[in-house]
Amino acid sequence: EAGVAQSPRYKIIEKRQSVAFWCNPISGHATLYWYQQILGQGPKLLIQFQNNGVVDDSQLPKDRFSAERLKGVDSTLKIQPAKLEDSAVYLCASSFATTGEQFFGPGTRLTVL
Amino acid sequence: GEDVEQSLFLSVREGDSSVINCTYTDSSSTYLYWYKQEPGAGLQLLTYIFSNMDMKQDQRLTVLLNKKDKHLSLRIADTQTGDSAIYFCAESRGAGNNRKLIWGLGTSLAVNP
Repeated sequence: EAGVAQSPRYKIIEKRQSVAFWCNPISGHATLYWYQQILGQGPKLLIQFQNNGVVDDSQLPKDRFSAERLKGVDSTLKIQPAKLEDSAVYLCASSFATTGEQFFGPGTRLTVL
Repeated sequence: GEDVEQSLFLSVREGDSSVINCTYTDSSSTYLYWYKQEPGAGLQLLTYIFSNMDMKQDQRLTVLLNKKDKHLSLRIADTQTGDSAIYFCAESRGAGNNRKLIWGLGTSLAVNP
């Protein structure tokens, strides 16, 4: 079974630029999560989708971050414009149901200069 | 991660047992998880325990849960250099579509040959 795919693996941008990350969850997983993991910290949930609907986006900085999962499968996370403090690893995870274990992708390491 | 606490570092010798401790705050948590993160990689679920269990053993891993003290531990027997990684404790809160994981900051395990 293929795991959670994410791209790109690494991205370096300058502050005020825009960036987008892509995630393809495990086939059949209805729940998709985006996390931000700053160096030395645990993952912080940014947004949770159930199919193509948003379940929780309470910690998403909506003035600059946006995410979508239009067809209930792939998802994109966008930052516009980026700030220095957005430098982190962005992790995507999926689960079969909200009660199920979460499977993580390898993450995208973002560096904002 | 402020509600789930872990010690930040642990160093052991190869072949010894490692014990990583975690305390959590929500007595209604139903599942508690241990995830492993190797350098540059995503999070991998190691094991989990349901809140009505005291202990769970899976090969070299033993999870102990003290629900009264809200204390969770992960014991790795015969620790190998390949076990060097960051180990995250996470508790599951909420129900249904509102279920989410609350993460600790992670314990960095160093295994010395």
